[in-house]
Amino acid sequence: KNEVEQSPQNLTAQEGEFITINCSYSVGISALHWLQQHPGGGIVSLFMLSSGKKKHGRLIATINIQEKHSSLHITASHPRDSAVYICAVRKSRYPGGSEKLVFGKGTKLTVNP
Amino acid sequence: DTGVSQDPRHKITKRGQNVTFRCDPISEHNRLYWYRQTLGQGPEFLTYFQNEAQLEKSRLLSDRFSAERPKGSFSTLEIQRTEQGDSAMYLCASSFLFSGSKNYGYTFGSGTRLTVV
Repeated sequence: KNEVEQSPQNLTAQEGEFITINCSYSVGISALHWLQQHPGGGIVSLFMLSSGKKKHGRLIATINIQEKHSSLHITASHPRDSAVYICAVRKSRYPGGSEKLVFGKGTKLTVNP
Repeated sequence: DTGVSQDPRHKITKRGQNVTFRCDPISEHNRLYWYRQTLGQGPEFLTYFQNEAQLEKSRLLSDRFSAERPKGSFSTLEIQRTEQGDSAMYLCASSFLFSGSKNYGYTFGSGTRLTVV
């Protein structure tokens, strides 16, 4: 079982819909990242969370540390939001440990006009 | 500063050839990471550097792979005797570690897409 699981794997929505992408993880973490990847490969960091909630424009990210769960919400979705959204966690520090990220497989979002 | 730069963006090579990729991190960032992403999967960790020291390598990094960061600035990733299974997107990221504090500013490059034919 992967340490980071995302759902759904694929999501198709109509323009204007409210989108939710979920991420569950099974390890202790020091931070969780939400990333966006467009065709062509480049990854853009959307949020880094260690607790609570963050908002940027139409994007909202929440995290529940006790339940080991995070959600990414997109309000008033638009075709330009179509991309792969990836959840990644930074495991809790331990002596000699790295700051590497462990990634989910991503959620492919398609927003139709 | 224009962010993390990777070169080349695309590389097509014949099986058995050697290839080298370059990553230029954000200049203030002291940590640099290499990840590999195959089609339909999330990225997987390969290795990371703090300044010029390579502090961790994944089991994915076979003997044919070597990475360097000679002056603690740019980094190179070399793959010798490429195989078709090496075809993937190679991503570089950098971040800044405050002493005794949280990591900061994780930034990814656009990646180098390698195709081995």
